[in-house]
Amino acid sequence: KQEVTQIPAALSVPEGENLVLNCSFTDSAIYNLQWFRQDPGKGLTSLLLIQSSQREQTSGRLNASLDKSSGRSTLYIAASQPGDSATYLCAVTGGSQGNLIFGKGTKLSVKP
Amino acid sequence: DVKVTQSSRYLVKRTGEKVFLECVQDMDHENMFWYRQDPGLGLRLIYFSYDVKMKEKGDIPEGYSVSREKKERFSLILESASTNQTSMYLCASSFEGWDTGELFFGEGSRLTVL
Repeated sequence: KQEVTQIPAALSVPEGENLVLNCSFTDSAIYNLQWFRQDPGKGLTSLLLIQSSQREQTSGRLNASLDKSSGRSTLYIAASQPGDSATYLCAVTGGSQGNLIFGKGTKLSVKP
Repeated sequence: DVKVTQSSRYLVKRTGEKVFLECVQDMDHENMFWYRQDPGLGLRLIYFSYDVKMKEKGDIPEGYSVSREKKERFSLILESASTNQTSMYLCASSFEGWDTGELFFGEGSRLTVL
């Protein structure tokens, strides 16, 4: 059964730092991996989608990498800002279970 | 931009009431999904639909039903609301395969059952 883990559950950094959020999954037979952002009380906003054949995707200050063989993905945020404070979730599709499986997220706080 | 709209952001209902949560997407997506999100449990799939009038159970369908009469609209129905259905409900849609496409979410509906 696919399991997605995000460690740490919470992270606090000063403004301007570069940071990495981690996501691991147990079944490497995935179709793609998606990173989302969620602000308190709101829905999820799609940040990046990495197909299983890709190694990384970039959008602005965000860079996501995928290593299927080791079952890991990282989300790199450059020059963090207070506006980046949110919960970041990763999710994988495909695998033996079919539907999208979510991690429980990392709550990021960027202090001014 | 894809827009997924959930009709109610906040609802308060009483135990035993019938509850309708509506979701509309404007990008002609084949697939639509209903999730619930609870602290410590994360997001769990309730039902999804890959075509009009088609529906499939997700991980936690008990106590829920769905309706998809038009491609753009997917409704979640709680036939008799119970307090353990107090939660954040999230609707999503996607193109391509139901299990492979990029998901786009609505703003969520916070339901409280008293």
